[in-house]
Amino acid sequence: DIVMTQSPDSLAVSLGERATINCKSSQSILYSSSNKNYLVWYQQKPGQPPKLLISWASTRESGVPDRFSGSGSGTDFTLTISSLQAEDVAVYYCQQFYSTPRTFGQGTKVEIK
Amino acid sequence: EVQLLESGGGLVQPGGSLRLSCAASGFTFSSYAMSWVRQAPGEGLEWVSSISGSDGSTYYADSVKGRFTISRDNSKNTMNVQMNSLRAEDTAVYYCAKDGLSGGSTNARYFDLWGRGTLVTVSS
Repeated sequence: DIVMTQSPDSLAVSLGERATINCKSSQSILYSSSNKNYLVWYQQKPGQPPKLLISWASTRESGVPDRFSGSGSGTDFTLTISSLQAEDVAVYYCQQFYSTPRTFGQGTKVEIK
Repeated sequence: EVQLLESGGGLVQPGGSLRLSCAASGFTFSSYAMSWVRQAPGEGLEWVSSISGSDGSTYYADSVKGRFTISRDNSKNTMNVQMNSLRAEDTAVYYCAKDGLSGGSTNARYFDLWGRGTLVTVSS
């Protein structure tokens, strides 16, 4: 199984400041024939189901604010919130779909400092 | 409206059984693999099982293999999971989730639409 490890487990950021979440996979999730990384990011607010933010490591989903961006390749990935807003308080998860079983990171809780 | 609605959760004793259902609307159900993803109280997300849209191929996490059976009825836009031999560690909110990509007899890739979830509690 591919293990997804996020860091940090939690972070507190001031409003308007940058938040950076890391996700590391135990093996490469870059599919060589397509040159695509099989990784997505979700946001889960309290009491709600997860919401898909970014697919293919860096493609923002429709309606997702452009302060959210994804980057990385191979085994190391990053979700960046460029200017944290109050509504961004949530837990963020990465997930690989390179192989079965599909696996998630343990989550990173983002709070306001 | 595009939505998923789970039902069937509840309290069950260890060793018991439960059947969860997911009703889909607003999209071409048969074109998408569908999945169950669970979240234990205060914990992270765990993929449980998926079923392809076209040929009904099924996929399971090792933690539920042999105990859970996923199925779908494309004529009714519904998906189910029969959960047998339930354990305390199966206690979780179970989410129904739609594949973010259409087509193919393949496991769900990622999840672009989620239901609100249904709580399953396994306890004596």
